[in-house]
Amino acid sequence: DVKVTQSSRYLVKRTGEKVFLECVQDMDHENMFWYRQDPGLGLRLIYFSYDVKMKEKGDIPEGYSVSREKKERFSLILESASTNQTSMYLCASSPPDRVRGELFFGEGSRLTVL
Amino acid sequence: GNSVTQMEGPVTLSEEAFLTINCTYTATGYPSLFWYVQYPGEGLQLLLKATKADDKGSNKGFEATYRKETTSFHLEKGSVQVSDSAVYFCALRTNSGGYQKVTFGTGTKLQVIP
Repeated sequence: DVKVTQSSRYLVKRTGEKVFLECVQDMDHENMFWYRQDPGLGLRLIYFSYDVKMKEKGDIPEGYSVSREKKERFSLILESASTNQTSMYLCASSPPDRVRGELFFGEGSRLTVL
Repeated sequence: GNSVTQMEGPVTLSEEAFLTINCTYTATGYPSLFWYVQYPGEGLQLLLKATKADDKGSNKGFEATYRKETTSFHLEKGSVQVSDSAVYFCALRTNSGGYQKVTFGTGTKLQVIP
């Protein structure tokens, strides 16, 4: 089975702290994604990566950065956390674009910024 | 741009009732269409998909037919169970700007009562 693992299920941070959310997948997928999920807004794409060291901005990249140094790992970084970044963060991976396949999601990381 | 519109929830049904969750989309090109399900406390997982017009996706008693003429992909189940209580997301995947972009609807919460 495909497995996407997010390092932390629940985090509580203070305003201004630097936050790292880690995601690892074990299916050798080229594509990896970070979404945030908020009530009434559904899933919104923050960043995605289609290869090692490659990244593209999604719909709401402001306040976030990402790192993909290895194919299996995709990290989301909040340089200076703010209260409006309190949310559920979902990582996903998928096969190459030519397959047009589905996304495989992790269980999510619920971040609270105080 | 691409968009997905789902009926707003929550939807509350009695066990064994018939379920329909409406989904319509706008997209350039020829998208693949998906339904994902999110059970409480978990990430999203694929429920079913269809990759071309008139295809029917099915899984666990759920069905959806890709209707290009009405740009719709409505989710149906003949007899729901309490265990179907979850949030359901309609999504599409298509080429956009040289890479495949996934667009999600806002989700529809289903509650099934005994």
